[in-house]
Amino acid sequence: DTEVTQTPKHLVMGMTNKKSLKCEQHMGHRAMYWYKQKAKKPPELMFVYSYEKLSINESVPSRFSPECPNSSLLNLHLHALQPEDSALYLCASSRQGVVISGNTIYFGEGSWLTVV
Amino acid sequence: KQEVTQIPAALSVPEGENLVLNCSFTDSAIYNLQWFRQDPGKGLTSLLLIQSSQREQTSGRLNASLDKSSGRSTLYIAASQPGDSATYLCAVSFSQGGSEKLVFGKGMKLTVNP
Repeated sequence: DTEVTQTPKHLVMGMTNKKSLKCEQHMGHRAMYWYKQKAKKPPELMFVYSYEKLSINESVPSRFSPECPNSSLLNLHLHALQPEDSALYLCASSRQGVVISGNTIYFGEGSWLTVV
Repeated sequence: KQEVTQIPAALSVPEGENLVLNCSFTDSAIYNLQWFRQDPGKGLTSLLLIQSSQREQTSGRLNASLDKSSGRSTLYIAASQPGDSATYLCAVSFSQGGSEKLVFGKGMKLTVNP
């Protein structure tokens, strides 16, 4: 099973709403990632969790709040977003967070977020 | 700052051609380089991963090479098929804060015409 599962696939939310994106993997990976991808642009890293601890925050606005409840789950809590936050949000995982060559990163199908 | 470049941004070819996709990166202190495929509206599928100590990797009709010292990688697609049409992204991984960070190129949109 090399699957990273993301829910929901599509989400429309107002600027005052609170919502969450969810990500799950059962490959025993200990590193999990959130990426943001705008149309016709490459994915941009937002957060990295390594062994359930936040290890990288790429200066993401506080209206995005990540959470890693356990080694299989990763959430992204959304609050007071702006229309420009509309994008494809991709979750990914890799075997371990400490860098060792050969860590293939597996991506989910993404969650399409539209902020109205 | 690590920057990854893919040129050209788009390529349209007839079916059956052998293709070379190029990727360059500015900082050779990488741990590995990965090629991905992305279909419209979908996530990313990993095609090949080359560790920094390796020179090339092969999978089916795909062959990827890595020249770390010159900051270049190529993805070779043999006998292209319409089903190969997608956006191809290369990404390099390196360490930041003790964790692995992946930086992507902007991708190359490939169209293979029947």
